[in-house]
Amino acid sequence: RKEVEQDPGPFNVPEGATVAFNCTYSNSASQSFFWYRQDCRKEPKLLMSVYSSGNEDGRFTAQLNRASQYISLLIRDSKLSDSATYLCVVPTTGNTPLVFGKGTRLSVIA
Amino acid sequence: SAVISQKPSRDICQRGTSLTIQCQVDSQVTMMFWYRQQPGQSLTLIATANQGSEATYESGFVIDKFPISRPNLTFSTLTVSNMSPEDSSIYLCSVELSTNPSGIYNEQFFGPGTRLTVL
Repeated sequence: RKEVEQDPGPFNVPEGATVAFNCTYSNSASQSFFWYRQDCRKEPKLLMSVYSSGNEDGRFTAQLNRASQYISLLIRDSKLSDSATYLCVVPTTGNTPLVFGKGTRLSVIA
Repeated sequence: SAVISQKPSRDICQRGTSLTIQCQVDSQVTMMFWYRQQPGQSLTLIATANQGSEATYESGFVIDKFPISRPNLTFSTLTVSNMSPEDSSIYLCSVELSTNPSGIYNEQFFGPGTRLTVL
């Protein structure tokens, strides 16, 4: 299994839809996990962190399943501004260095 | 949070030349990281730069090709040496800061990147 694998995408969804991305990781010792957002031609920025079973922030919910070694990101009531690439990020040991997934591209359409 | 600037923001270089990318942070940080993001790909860690010690390179990256300096806690440089078209990429500087009150994890902040094109 690759270190971090994500849904290939792209996901094209209408405004208001709910969309979920999955990510699997290989390092069972990883303790914390991250979802980063990267807009076109911009640097990645932290969207959410997950270090227990899950985390919720407004329309965004991240869930962690340690037994199956996957994390997910759920976006409810999608907005046009949610269009971006979402990167699943897993530390190799401890908190660093980080390993980035290839990203899942989301396009929210009016 | 951290404010990170990189110079240059972009450059077009000739094969065989070298380019030094500068990264400046607005606060003192222990660890700085250099990443590469090739077109359509995700980020790949090149090396970790700690002040006062040699940089630690990831598999596939060597000091002769990507020498790094870390003269103080707010600044670092990455040089891409003897460039070839395969080095065309975005190079990003990153720092790690503790933003979680319980200290469970550190957040990484990225600079805006340097877009390099090698002809």
